[in-house]
Amino acid sequence: AQSVTQPDIHITVSEGASLELRCNYSYGATPYLFWYVQSPGQGLQLLLKYFSGDTLVQGIKGFEAEFKRSQSSFNLRKPSVHWSDAAEYFCAVGAGAAGNKLTFGGGTRVLVKP
Amino acid sequence: GAVVSQHPSWVICKSGTSVKIECRSLDFQATTMFWYRQFPKQSLMLMATSNEGSKATYEQGVEKDKFLINHASLTLSTLTVTSAHPEDSSFYICSARGGPAGRSYEQYFGPGTRLTVT
Repeated sequence: AQSVTQPDIHITVSEGASLELRCNYSYGATPYLFWYVQSPGQGLQLLLKYFSGDTLVQGIKGFEAEFKRSQSSFNLRKPSVHWSDAAEYFCAVGAGAAGNKLTFGGGTRVLVKP
Repeated sequence: GAVVSQHPSWVICKSGTSVKIECRSLDFQATTMFWYRQFPKQSLMLMATSNEGSKATYEQGVEKDKFLINHASLTLSTLTVTSAHPEDSSFYICSARGGPAGRSYEQYFGPGTRLTVT
């Protein structure tokens, strides 16, 4: 069975600083990988996804993630954080047909200091 | 585009009663809908997958007789929590698969429904 680990429960970063959120997965086949952001009162929003091809994936809101098969990782990065990036971030691995069945990591809450 | 709504956003019910939560895809046809449960400060756990016109597939450990799922149309799925108890209090989130052309594998999530059972 697949699993996802997000080692950092909370991260505090200053506005304008860079951000990196870690994600490690366990899956027996080529994974479908996703990063979602959850803001209060809003549904999860897809930031980016990896299915195949280029291992550096660009997403919305200036986020990018790099798939490293050798490390079973899919870390999310943003060069310069804005106050509006404060939210909960979830990494997920998709199994089944086209990554249909999602298993989520525990989430990382990002706090942005002014 | 690709908006999913849930109704109600928040509901309180008494122990022993049943409550229905609706999940609608507003601007696309969702052949598959998913129901998740999220405990406070925890991750989402998949409860079940429903395909339009078919019986839902429940994850291991999820009681199908307690969490009734109906996916009667391509835009509506409902989750009914029967004989609710305080331990059923949680945040329930649905997602819908299907969307604009070329993005059919993406799941779009609703804003969630907070259920409190007293």
